[in-house]
Amino acid sequence: GQQLNQSPQSMFIQEGEDVSMNCTSSSIFNTWLWYKQDPGEGPVLLIALYKAGELTSNGRLTAQFGITRKDSFLNISASIPSDVGIYFCAGRGYGGSQGNLIFGKGTKLSVKP
Amino acid sequence: DSGVTQTPKHLITATGQRVTLRCSPRSGDLSVYWYQQSLDQGLQFLIHYYNGEERAKGNILERFSAQQFPDLHSELNLSSLELGDSALYFCASSHPTTGGLLTDTQYFGPGTRLTVL
Repeated sequence: GQQLNQSPQSMFIQEGEDVSMNCTSSSIFNTWLWYKQDPGEGPVLLIALYKAGELTSNGRLTAQFGITRKDSFLNISASIPSDVGIYFCAGRGYGGSQGNLIFGKGTKLSVKP
Repeated sequence: DSGVTQTPKHLITATGQRVTLRCSPRSGDLSVYWYQQSLDQGLQFLIHYYNGEERAKGNILERFSAQQFPDLHSELNLSSLELGDSALYFCASSHPTTGGLLTDTQYFGPGTRLTVL
């Protein structure tokens, strides 16, 4: 079945640093979504991408839908403490699974000690 | 606040029992999706309902079932509970865009934390 690899699994950030994470899939997707989840809460949608090559920003967040349709990245510029949390990519494929999202395992952002 | 509501927020029960989780989608959304999130498995898609009809099934056990009612709220029923069913259960809702292509964006509720003892 379709699989998503999200990396890195975790990372530590210092306030002001830029952060980058990405997802790759084993098959072509028609949609990429990026979510953030805080402890005890549901995932909150950050950015939605629907076209290959699409580059979309939401404040300090920028995400791109890869040209091959098999990958996407999320960048966070000038990180702040409230960026801490778990970020998930999610993709939707074609055919019989249309509508069903597949989620990556998440990238956990923590503050550097 | 996503506009999706889920009740209860927490549920503690014993093995072998049956529970019902409830979800109310955002106003106007016709689709409801159920997900299970456990520590080692991440977010796993369980089932999708659209306007009262089942549209797709994911990794949903036979002990689990769901339905969507005419007012579009949905319930997820979990029976013969096992320790391994302890997890966060999320529902998400969406409203499909026009053109027949499901490019709808899913908005998640706050989840129900199920603990099976």
